Amino acid sequence: GAGVSQSPSNKVTEKGKDVELRCDPISGHTALYWYRQRLGQGLEFLIYFQGNSAPDKSGLPSDRFSAERTGESVSTLTIQRTQQEDSAVYLCASSSTALGTAITEAFFGQGTRLTVV
Amino acid sequence: LAKTTQPISMDSYEGQEVNITCSHNNIATNDYITWYQQFPSQGPRFIIQGYKTKVTNEVASLFIPADRKSSTLSLPRVSLSDTAVYYCLVGDRDSGAGSYQLTFGKGTKLSVIP
Repeated sequence: GAGVSQSPSNKVTEKGKDVELRCDPISGHTALYWYRQRLGQGLEFLIYFQGNSAPDKSGLPSDRFSAERTGESVSTLTIQRTQQEDSAVYLCASSSTALGTAITEAFFGQGTRLTVV
Repeated sequence: LAKTTQPISMDSYEGQEVNITCSHNNIATNDYITWYQQFPSQGPRFIIQGYKTKVTNEVASLFIPADRKSSTLSLPRVSLSDTAVYYCLVGDRDSGAGSYQLTFGKGTKLSVIP
């Protein structure tokens, strides 16, 4: 596609339920990032993929959070047993390369707004 | 990880030039400096990137002094539509694992006033 696509755009879920958030990166982009942004706050790094591997999972806030990427393309962020503090916008970004010394332009999706009630 | 420090907020009138300075005292030799812009309810978007001296594109200019411990994003003649949060990022690499992340700080909230 032309840009990074995320789905759903909005998700309301009950506390304790599991949710899956999907990210379709730009075709050919090897690097993929997930961020969380709470209302009025900055971007909180969650996880980074290079291809299908996740060399950096340091940002995942708890073991309720997991992510995978397949085919060096689609990524899914899963939150188990959701809590109200998980409410936020979850943003995905992709870039053509991440290894090396230069920051490459990253393209962000519109995000998934998750509300846990 | 190289950290960045920016002002939390800035106000400017329409038509003025706005300069937002970012401090990155621990920048590494191979790090680049990148700025992103985020409008409400949207993901951030790339504005400009540089290594040293001055870089200019159709949107902004980026000034980087010789010691590279800071950088200044310059927006010429801002308009109301430039109201957004601006993030300064410094390229960072874990030499051991080869990992990399785009580390966003809190950003600078620019409000353009009519």
